[in-house]
Amino acid sequence: EPEVTQTPSHQVTQMGQEVILRCVPISNHLYFYWYRQILGQKVEFLVSFYNNEISEKSEIFDDQFSVERPDGSNFTLKIRSTKLEDSAMYFCASKQDRDLFEQYFGPGTRLTVT
Amino acid sequence: AQKVTQAQTEISVVEKEDVTLDCVYETRDTTYYLFWYKQPPSGELVFLIRRNSFDEQNEISGRYSWNFQKSTSSFNFTITASQVVDSAVYFCALSGNNRKLIWGLGTSLAVNP
Repeated sequence: EPEVTQTPSHQVTQMGQEVILRCVPISNHLYFYWYRQILGQKVEFLVSFYNNEISEKSEIFDDQFSVERPDGSNFTLKIRSTKLEDSAMYFCASKQDRDLFEQYFGPGTRLTVT
Repeated sequence: AQKVTQAQTEISVVEKEDVTLDCVYETRDTTYYLFWYKQPPSGELVFLIRRNSFDEQNEISGRYSWNFQKSTSSFNFTITASQVVDSAVYFCALSGNNRKLIWGLGTSLAVNP
């Protein structure tokens, strides 16, 4: 069964460094999402992406964040200058069609900023 | 506004006990979906069930069962004969007309041997 994959599973970085989190959505999916979960807290929406542009973003998704679909398969989340409070689990999700309700989640990348 | 409330922050049970995790939602949409996800200590989100607003039939899958009641806007999850491997955080989520996923705060379940 097709699934969303994410790499790396765990990333440790120093404050101020740039990180790129990678996701490979399910191949025929057109809508892509990033979510964040700070340890012990709920899952929070960051951004949605369709047709090579951001369709919606939350207030968390400030200028430090960017997303890109550099090729036909990868969907990336870049944090330009990481802060301690960026430490969290980051989940990528995708779905095939706008009208569908269910998103398919990747296994997550645990980002630790020291 | 849409909202999902999981009033139980933490639950602790002894193995083989039955446990019910509560989920209450708010939405004005007539068409919506409700979800339950399990998040084990390893951190990934494991999809458990999806239920649409027009289907109020209860569902049973092995030791898991779900009770959807539109009259009380609840979608409760029961684990029968709990096992240590059921220890995890369980999230209830709602998706309505805007197709955004609205998450509850989660219930941390500890099943002790």
